[in-house]
Amino acid sequence: GQQVMQIPQYQHVQEGEDFTTYCNSSTTLSNIQWYKQRPGGHPVFLIQLVKSGEVKKQKRLTFQFGEAKKNSSLHITATQTTDVGTYFCGAGGYQKVTFGTGTKLQVIP
Amino acid sequence: EADIYQTPRYLVIGTGKKITLECSQTMGHDKMYWYQQDPGMELHLIHYSYGVNSTEKGDLSSESTVSRIRTEHFPLTLESARPSHTSQYLCASRESQGNYNEQFFGPGTRLTVL
Repeated sequence: GQQVMQIPQYQHVQEGEDFTTYCNSSTTLSNIQWYKQRPGGHPVFLIQLVKSGEVKKQKRLTFQFGEAKKNSSLHITATQTTDVGTYFCGAGGYQKVTFGTGTKLQVIP
Repeated sequence: EADIYQTPRYLVIGTGKKITLECSQTMGHDKMYWYQQDPGMELHLIHYSYGVNSTEKGDLSSESTVSRIRTEHFPLTLESARPSHTSQYLCASRESQGNYNEQFFGPGTRLTVL
């Protein structure tokens, strides 16, 4: 079945530093979604990318979809303690979303 | 805010007990899902449903069973709980139509089997 890999698995950053997580698939994706899960919480949808090379921004978060639609990235500029959590990418399909392994972000004040 | 609910939120039970985790959504979504997740770890799909009377096993083998008698309700049952079942169980739903595939997650049930 479809597999989606995410790197890194963990990331510790000093508050104010930037952070990036990468999502890679061996197959072409119809779309890619990103979710955030706060510690002790449940995943919450952030955004969906559909078009090749698409870039979307939400305040300090920048989402990119690769030209070949096989990879994606989430970049956070100037992290804050509120950014702490696990970020999951998800390859959206008709039956289900195939989630990546997740990147756990820890922000040191 | 998503209208998807799970009960109980926390459950501590002894080995061998039968339990049912409830999940309900009021959005009219046909597709519903159950995930098992250890704290801070991957989301493992254990069951899903396309609609009433439809259930499928997910990517991770599970001893649990599910039913879908009503669109809004997707309960998960463990006939005989074991310590290895200790985990968080997340229910989710999404629309069937179109390409907008956002999944809405419930708050989860944290299960501890002693």
